[in-house]
Amino acid sequence: GAVVSQHPSRVICKSGTSVKIECRSLDFQATTMFWYRQFPKQSLMLMATSNEGSKATYEQGVEKDKFLINHASLTLSTLTVTSAHPEDSSFYICSARDSGLAGGRGHNEQFFGPGTRLTVL
Amino acid sequence: AQSVSQHNHHVILSEAASLELGCNYSYGGTVNLFWYVQYPGQHLQLLLKYFSGDPLVKGIKGFEAEFIKSKFSFNLRKPSVQWSDTAEYFCAVIRMDSSYKLIFGSGTRLLVRP
Repeated sequence: GAVVSQHPSRVICKSGTSVKIECRSLDFQATTMFWYRQFPKQSLMLMATSNEGSKATYEQGVEKDKFLINHASLTLSTLTVTSAHPEDSSFYICSARDSGLAGGRGHNEQFFGPGTRLTVL
Repeated sequence: AQSVSQHNHHVILSEAASLELGCNYSYGGTVNLFWYVQYPGQHLQLLLKYFSGDPLVKGIKGFEAEFIKSKFSFNLRKPSVQWSDTAEYFCAVIRMDSSYKLIFGSGTRLLVRP
């Protein structure tokens, strides 16, 4: 099955620093990746859609200057939390859609990474 | 507003009991439907999905779900739960007329007592 990895799995940083989270599709190409945020005991909230070679599309209420997304290759998207503050502490999850399934039944399925737990002190 | 509703936030069952978790969505057009499971400390895993065709979908680990278009529902069922089914279950929907964004329900936390 399709595998998506995230790195790091856990990060603790000081307030005001920036943190980069990587999302990789290991055995397929993904022109589209998605970034979600999950607060404790809550559901996943879509933050942005990451498109290879173009700008990300952010959901309403998500600050694009704070959550920088780069999708420079077909297998890698990065999320950088700039000037992190304690309220940014959360579980960040990425997912990827298999470009090779475009037009087919499986095209809309998203494969999820294991998540990154960010704690800002 | 566009939404996916999961009616049960917490469910506690004994082993061998039957399970049904409700999921309703509020879109009128064509949708793709998913159920994901998140075991404690693990990442999201796909249980089953519906794209088209037979509205009764069978997934992994004995789970199934039925798409009832007239009720905008996609309830998850399992005839006999096991302790290892303790997890959080998320229903999710993709609208086929949007940007294929996956919208999640609020989740149902299932505890199965041995």
